[in-house]
Amino acid sequence: DTGVSQDPRHKITKRGQNVTFRCDPISEHNRLYWYRQTLGQGPEFLTYFQNEAQLEKSRLLSDRFSAERPKGSFSTLEIQRTEQGDSAMYLCASSLAYGLGRETQYFGPGTRLLVL
Amino acid sequence: SQQGEEDPQALSIQEGENATMNCSYKTSINNLQWYRQNSGRGLVHLILIRSNEREKHSGRLRVTLDTSKKSSSLLITASRAADTASYFCATDLPGDAGGTSYGKLTFGQGTILTVHP
Repeated sequence: DTGVSQDPRHKITKRGQNVTFRCDPISEHNRLYWYRQTLGQGPEFLTYFQNEAQLEKSRLLSDRFSAERPKGSFSTLEIQRTEQGDSAMYLCASSLAYGLGRETQYFGPGTRLLVL
Repeated sequence: SQQGEEDPQALSIQEGENATMNCSYKTSINNLQWYRQNSGRGLVHLILIRSNEREKHSGRLRVTLDTSKKSSSLLITASRAADTASYFCATDLPGDAGGTSYGKLTFGQGTILTVHP
């Protein structure tokens, strides 16, 4: 257990439905990252926050995806109008602010999404 | 696109043997990290090596980094059945200020290691 939790762990939904995932980072970490991992591949960066500010979004993050981190604590990732291609493991990670000795990212267990 | 490329894609060894995995990348980095992932679970951080370091050890793990060749290797000595997992390298690009990084990791496709008891 890294101290990063994600909820739910599994989600099955029908195409066209909206889903929301939650990530609770390690409490003193001010950086939070979202990655997506499909079967047989490494994780791909989606977006990250420093405190409540969303600093960068990947081109992978279409308009149907939105992420928030209110008050710089937990974060949510919402996918609207899900498509079968959204089926993947969604991973959250957190770290201290960037800088020497602070680069290690601690990953949560992931939320596995299946879109039928 | 994936910056890191791991080699081999799969490795099968007997318990007690050493396992070596290689990673190549394309651009300048601030640091390179290795992670382990057990089937269907989250990633566990193993070791981080900075661009100005050449070798690092942690228990049974030894990581080398050759920035001139843009490559890294992970050696697991005296492997155990519990080491069976996927291993990923991830690169972290240099940030705007000296010594910092962006923190946006770029992962390779991973090496699947199977250690037979």
